[in-house]
Amino acid sequence: NAGVTQTPKFRVLKTGQSMTLLCAQDMNHEYMYWYRQDPGMGLRLIHYSVGEGTTAKGEVPDGYNVSRLKKQNFLLGLESAAPSQTSVYFCASTPDLGFYEQYFGPGTRLTVT
Amino acid sequence: AQSVTQLDSQVPVFEEAPVELRCNYSSSVSVYLFWYVQYPNQGLQLLLKYLSGSTLVKGINGFEAEFNKSQTSFHLRKPSVHISDTAEYFCAVSGTSYGKLTFGQGTILTVHP
Repeated sequence: NAGVTQTPKFRVLKTGQSMTLLCAQDMNHEYMYWYRQDPGMGLRLIHYSVGEGTTAKGEVPDGYNVSRLKKQNFLLGLESAAPSQTSVYFCASTPDLGFYEQYFGPGTRLTVT
Repeated sequence: AQSVTQLDSQVPVFEEAPVELRCNYSSSVSVYLFWYVQYPNQGLQLLLKYLSGSTLVKGINGFEAEFNKSQTSFHLRKPSVHISDTAEYFCAVSGTSYGKLTFGQGTILTVHP
């Protein structure tokens, strides 16, 4: 099993450009999450999904959109990138709430200039 | 609402010395507590978790943590650290219906030879 994978690993965008981050998991997990990590702030939840076709807002959803058309994939979109979105983005998944442990991908480092 | 406070942003320690990384949480509901470790340029890896039962939980790499409900703490300890333990450590709490993790700000542990 590859676990949780993220594409791309690094990206540099100019202000106003758009992009999509892809998260894929091969563990048949129901729940998936997108976090952003900023120095001194830990990880903050952007959006999450409780199953295929569902999405919901987390703590810091502004400027991001998500989709989960297939159970194994969770996409994070930036429609018009801003320098404040410079961060490291992590995707995570968990099989169900009773299990509670989340499995994390390796991260995507995004710089917006 | 839940929150997590890691009381030390950086902890320097010499190799083979003991270490304690402090974590306090607040929550109005029953919680599940986690410690994750992040090695440089990698994703997060679960060290240990407390779901119920014994308040002393043992994790990987010789780490352990004690859940103290009265003090709302979940401190991480290791009796003798190695250079390879140099990493950032995150305390997290979960207790919502959708499994969201609330993270602390992180503690950077640096082990010196």
